[in-house]
Amino acid sequence: DVKVTQSSRYLVKRTGEKVFLECVQDMDHENMFWYRQDPGLGLRLIYFSYDVKMKEKGDIPEGYSVSREKKERFSLILESASTNQTSMYLCASRYTGALSPLHFGNGTRLTVT
Amino acid sequence: DAKTTQPNSMESNEEEPVHLPCNHSTISGTDYIHWYRQLPSQGPEYVIHGLTSNVNNRMASLAIAEDRKSSTLILHRATLRDAAVYYCILRGGNQFYFGTGTSLTVIP
Repeated sequence: DVKVTQSSRYLVKRTGEKVFLECVQDMDHENMFWYRQDPGLGLRLIYFSYDVKMKEKGDIPEGYSVSREKKERFSLILESASTNQTSMYLCASRYTGALSPLHFGNGTRLTVT
Repeated sequence: DAKTTQPNSMESNEEEPVHLPCNHSTISGTDYIHWYRQLPSQGPEYVIHGLTSNVNNRMASLAIAEDRKSSTLILHRATLRDAAVYYCILRGGNQFYFGTGTSLTVIP
């Protein structure tokens, strides 16, 4: 069974702090994704990566950066957290290929005060 | 610009079939139609996907309109464990475009 693990279930940070959200997958997937989920807005793609050290912007990359130094790990970085980044963050991974589904972690609920 | 449109919520009685609709009028010829569901306090999980033909698996069936501008997820016998938010998604390349989903309530 594929496992996508997000390092924290709940996180509380202060405005201006640098925040790291970590995601690890154990199935050798090439592709990894970061989404944020907000009421009424559904899931929105922040960044994705199709290979080590490669990254692509999604629909809402502003205020975020990512790092993929190893295939199994994809980090989302909030350089200077703001209150409008309070949200549920979901990591996902998948193989390359038309039939391969996304596998999600259980999310990190981030609150920025 | 929303790529998929779904009703915000639906209700079903337990053990009855459920038809969850989705409109995707701007779908392109290479977009796959995926459905995922999200149980409370979990990340979304894959349910089914298709391109042009209707599809069946152990979880559900997917009926795709001939013009591909709409699709319907069919749960043949709803159980209480099927209460979740169901997302209809278009996949183009490596991008998955999520809508806001339909919250399904199953009534015992």
